[in-house]
Formats: sequence, C-alpha cells, structure tokens
Amino acid sequence: SQKIEQNSEALNIQEGKTATLTCNYTNYSPAYLQWYRQDPGRGPVFLLLIRENEKEKRKERLKVTFDTTLKQSLFHITASQPADSATYLCALAPNAGNMLTFGGGTRLMVKP
Amino acid sequence: GAVVSQHPSWVICKSGTSVKIECRSLDFQATTMFWYRQFPKQSLMLMATSNEGSKATYEQGVEKDKFLINHASLTLSTLTVTSAHPEDSSFYICSASDGPEQFFGPGTRLTVL
Repeated sequence: SQKIEQNSEALNIQEGKTATLTCNYTNYSPAYLQWYRQDPGRGPVFLLLIRENEKEKRKERLKVTFDTTLKQSLFHITASQPADSATYLCALAPNAGNMLTFGGGTRLMVKP
Repeated sequence: GAVVSQHPSWVICKSGTSVKIECRSLDFQATTMFWYRQFPKQSLMLMATSNEGSKATYEQGVEKDKFLINHASLTLSTLTVTSAHPEDSSFYICSASDGPEQFFGPGTRLTVL
C-alpha cells in the first residue's frame, strides 16, 4: 500500500539555523510533490510544488529537493525564525488527476 | 490571490441533526474542490473529490449518503453532514483547485453533542 512518511517527532531548532524536514514515500509514483504549512486550528497553506522532473525548487528562505530514485523530498527553511514554528505537511499527487495524499506532518519549533 | 473561505468556522449541534458547511473560492474559478477531515494530531484524510456539475467521487469508507456534497458552481461547494453523531466530530477542511496546487479553506470545527 502507498505510504508517505514524515518524522512524527517534533523538530526543535535554534533561531537562525536551517531546518530540514524529510518526506519519504513508498509504492507511489507521484507526478508532483507539494509542501504545506499548517498552524493549529487552521487549514494548510500552500508553500511549494515540485514536479517529478525537477530536482530542486526555491522560494525566498524555502528550498525543496525531490529525489525520485530515493523516493524522498527534503524541505529546508534557512535562517529560521520563531514565526516559522508550525506543522509542515508533504503531499503527493499521482500521475493522473490532482488528488493529494498527505503525510502525517512534522511539527517544527524554532526557539528564539 | 487564491483565497478559499469556509462557513461556518465552527458549529456545535445535537446528535441527529444535519449540518451544512460551505466552501467558496473567492478570487478564482475552481474546477475541482476537495473535502478533507482531520482528527486531532492526525493528518488530513481525503473524503471526496467534487467537480462542478457532476457527482462527487467518495473515498473508500466514506458514506456518500451521510456526507452529501453539492458543487453547484465553480466557486461554491457544500458538504452536509446528515444525522450527525458524536463520532462525526472533527475538523473539516475544503480545498479548491484550478491546477496542480490546492488552496485550502480555514476549516470548520464540528462538535456533535
């Protein structure tokens, strides 16, 4: 069965450091992978999308890599700030259609 | 751009009543809308996919007669939880899409007493 795994343990880092979150998947061939941010009691907010033929994508302090051989995506936040504290979800979409399957999310805590 | 609203943001109802949740895309036309449910400390679980003017496609295990979805226009989809029970208490989130990205509403917290 399809599995999307994110580290369920919270990631605690110091302000100014780079946060790196991991998303691994099995039994899946996604056409694209997306990262979302979710704050408590709120809906997810779209951050970045990367397609299967792309290795890396950047947006301001955010960087996403996508390795279809390793079946893994890494999500980096550079120069992290306490305001970056949230749960980050990765989501995959199949080759056909745009239905998303979400990972369990990783909670990031950036300490001042 | 890409703003999606949901109404109400929270609702408390008695067991056996029906609750309607609205999802609107405010600044774009959504070819597809999705309904998700999220239990505490869990990720989003897709309930159904809805295309304007056609019947919704429900995920396995989701009762279509209990969770009625109407997608009357390119900017509005509604989810009606019929004969709600306490186990239906959850956070319901919609998303709207006109391409590969999905834009999510702020969610509706449903509590069934």
